[in-house]
Amino acid sequence: DAGVIQSPRHEVTEMGQEVTLRCKPISGHNSLFWYRQTMMRGLELLIYFNNNVPIDDSGMPEDRFSAKMPNASFSTLKIQPSEPRDSAVYFCASSQGPPYGYTFGSGTRLTVV
Amino acid sequence: DQQVKQNSPSLSVQEGRISILNCDYTNSMFDYFLWYKKYPAEGPTFLISISSIKDKNEDGRFTVFLNKSAKHLSLHIVPSQPGDSAVYFCAAGGGSQGNLIFGKGTKLSVKP
Repeated sequence: DAGVIQSPRHEVTEMGQEVTLRCKPISGHNSLFWYRQTMMRGLELLIYFNNNVPIDDSGMPEDRFSAKMPNASFSTLKIQPSEPRDSAVYFCASSQGPPYGYTFGSGTRLTVV
Repeated sequence: DQQVKQNSPSLSVQEGRISILNCDYTNSMFDYFLWYKKYPAEGPTFLISISSIKDKNEDGRFTVFLNKSAKHLSLHIVPSQPGDSAVYFCAAGGGSQGNLIFGKGTKLSVKP
């Protein structure tokens, strides 16, 4: 298995532009998570899905952030419009559910200038 | 309110010695705990876990200890190696949580 695949690995964009991050979870995993890592907050859960359904999006910072999971093999995290404070590393992870842990992707480093 | 706390942002240890990373939690309903290791430019990778019904789990050089009464767990690495230098995240799950709660991480540096 190729693991959790995220794209792009790096994204540099100008403030105000739309940014879309992509994730392909491990086949057979029924939970998918989007995290953001910053120095101040560490690993911060943004949203997670069970069986393609959003379960908890309380971590999504603002309406500028949205996430979708149209099928079991693909999810997107969109930021529109992007702001410099959104600069961070965004991780996607998938899991078979408790008590199994998560498998993380390599992350997308987003820089908004 | 942080439910999982790693109070030491960094730790430096000499090669061959023991590394002890600590983690505290507040929710007594957590029923499993995990440690993840993260190298720069990579995602966190699973290292070791422990169920709340146990107080110790060992895997090679890595041992996790759980003290439920103190709501404290620790990761011991013996002997420490330079390749262990990474950020270590503690995570907890179970109870009413549908997802893992992560601490902020401890950066371990193992010096040759």
